[in-house]
Amino acid sequence: QVQLQQWGAGLLKPSETLSLTCAVYGGSLNNYYWSWIRQPPGKGLEWIGEVYHSGNTNYNPSLKSRVTISVDTSKNQFSLRLNSVTAADTGVYYCVRGRLMWYGAEMDVWDNGTTVTVSA
Amino acid sequence: DVWMTQSPLSLPVTLGQPASISCRSSRSLIYSDGNTYLNWFHQRPGQSPRRLIYKVSNRDSGVPDRFSGSVSGTDFTLKISRVEAEDVGVYYCMQGTHWPITFGQGTRLEIK
Repeated sequence: QVQLQQWGAGLLKPSETLSLTCAVYGGSLNNYYWSWIRQPPGKGLEWIGEVYHSGNTNYNPSLKSRVTISVDTSKNQFSLRLNSVTAADTGVYYCVRGRLMWYGAEMDVWDNGTTVTVSA
Repeated sequence: DVWMTQSPLSLPVTLGQPASISCRSSRSLIYSDGNTYLNWFHQRPGQSPRRLIYKVSNRDSGVPDRFSGSVSGTDFTLKISRVEAEDVGVYYCMQGTHWPITFGQGTRLEIK
């Protein structure tokens, strides 16, 4: 079955850029939108955005000005970049298989998450 | 944005007793394909969320049949017929019909 595994820097300073990459194993990127979701310490879940295998994206308006989600179909990977981070961006970041094209979001496959800490 | 309001936020339950979590959406969640994309997730401490229920009432593979989902208008309910120790953690509803995708605040289930 499909499994996801991500990596990236876990400790950032304010104003730096968060960069995470998620690899898809046991399946293809094709035909799905792939999402990033985050969770501040002790708080709930926030959807960041999604990317289709064609490169089409949708972002949460609350983060849109700072977010770029991209895809590399040759490597079966998708990535998240979040600019100008602050302490409020600290939390666990998840990559998730979100939905099929033309359908609603179901978020059926999650990775284990990566903890990102922003601190001076 | 579509607001998802869960209640209660804390739910102490005796083992073997039923439990019910409510999730109310601020607008209809019927998508253009006729489906209602309301999902329920369970998150244990230190773990990723795991989907339990999709499209209101469909149980994921491996989810015990003591879990069930239902809807009345824009009011969604997750029911556990008999709570077991492994059910502790936080439960989230999520709507996948409107963008941005949004989650409820979470309901923390604990054993009395």
